[in-house]
Amino acid sequence: SQTIHQWPATLVQPVGSPLSLECTVEGTSNPNLYWYRQAAGRGLQLLFYSVGIGQISSEVPQNLSASRPQDRQFILSSKKLLLSDSGFYLCAWGGTSGIYEQYFGPGTRLTVT
Amino acid sequence: AQSVTQLDSHVSVSEGTPVLLRCNYSSSYSPSLFWYVQHPNKGLQLLLKYTSAATLVKGINGFEAEFKKSETSFHLTKPSAHMSDAAEYFCVVSDRGGGGADGLTFGKGTHLIIQP
Repeated sequence: SQTIHQWPATLVQPVGSPLSLECTVEGTSNPNLYWYRQAAGRGLQLLFYSVGIGQISSEVPQNLSASRPQDRQFILSSKKLLLSDSGFYLCAWGGTSGIYEQYFGPGTRLTVT
Repeated sequence: AQSVTQLDSHVSVSEGTPVLLRCNYSSSYSPSLFWYVQHPNKGLQLLLKYTSAATLVKGINGFEAEFKKSETSFHLTKPSAHMSDAAEYFCVVSDRGGGGADGLTFGKGTHLIIQP
């Protein structure tokens, strides 16, 4: 069966510091991978998605970036965090072999102070 | 283009009574529809999915939803609420027939409160 991991689970970072969040998927090959942000009291905002290694599509212009160095690894980064980057970050996989739904990881709670 | 409207931001029911969470959608293609549940500080869990098979879909934890094309609705129901059902629920539409790997559109969520 497929599993998806995210780490760290929680993170407190000062404004201006860098960020690296990691997501890995097990049990599937060549999945589509997604990064979402969920701000307090709001719905999900799609940040990036990837259909393959090195292929990244950005949905929202911001100071975040994403990379996919391996088939089942997806990384969310920032060089300098802003207060507005605080939120709950969710990674998801989906889109293989007619699977239209997405399966989510446990999330990372990021607080920028 | 596709969109999802969850008609209630908050729903409060007593334990043991029925649950109804309402969702309307619009889609240019034959949609796939999903309900997800999110407990506090957790990821989203897929409750059920409709993908053009049976219009009445049964999911986990006793939830079910009925796809009604004429009403463009996909309401989520449960006959008897349990305290553990208290969570945020998201209605989601996918019209992958329109292309694009990012084809999910999320509703804004309904917060389900269970009164003891």
